[in-house]
Amino acid sequence: EIVLTQSPGTLSLSPGERATLSCRASQSVSSSYLAWYQQKPGQAPRLLIYGASSRATGIPDRFSGSGSGTDFTLTISRLEPEDFAVYYCQQYGSSRALTFGGGTKVEIK
Amino acid sequence: EVQLVESGGGLVKPGGSLRLSCAASGFTFSNAWMSWVRQAPGKGLEWVGRIKSKTDGGTTDYAAPVKGRFTISRDDSKNTLYLQMNSLKTEDTAVYYCGILRHYYYYYMDVWGKGTTVTVSS
Repeated sequence: EIVLTQSPGTLSLSPGERATLSCRASQSVSSSYLAWYQQKPGQAPRLLIYGASSRATGIPDRFSGSGSGTDFTLTISRLEPEDFAVYYCQQYGSSRALTFGGGTKVEIK
Repeated sequence: EVQLVESGGGLVKPGGSLRLSCAASGFTFSNAWMSWVRQAPGKGLEWVGRIKSKTDGGTTDYAAPVKGRFTISRDDSKNTLYLQMNSLKTEDTAVYYCGILRHYYYYYMDVWGKGTTVTVSS
């Protein structure tokens, strides 16, 4: 089973700053099967990025995804107040299972 | 509007059973692959399992921690997804979300319900 490791665990930044979140897989992942989600307290996750780099409907262009193989990145170019949340990466593997990373919390510095 | 509404959560004793429902509206439910994801208090997201559309075989897959105890099913006539949970353990305590699983070339969940809370405790 592929394990996704997200880093850092917590990112302390100020509004307007750039956020770079990492998702590393224990073995190569198809880019088509790599997605990113945002979750705020008490809410369901919201899809941000699918296929490693395609923004979901309605997602602002300050969110971007990149990467391939075992290393993927979610970048938020300029943090808005509503972007402080927890972010998860997700992959689908040959075992027919979805797996999620442990999450990165982006908090206000 | 595409909507998913979970129900059926509650307090149950270890070893007990519970059935969750997920009512779907605003899309052609019978064509959709559906998935359950859970989140223990203060923890991250954990995939529970998935059911394909009947057109694609209607088969299910489960995460290792729930395999043999949980069963996902669907009633396309009622636009409803189910999660039957048996032999519940305290570690099954979580918010349970249902979601639409997109699977053509890409693989992701783009519509989620608000979740229903399951507490397993004596």
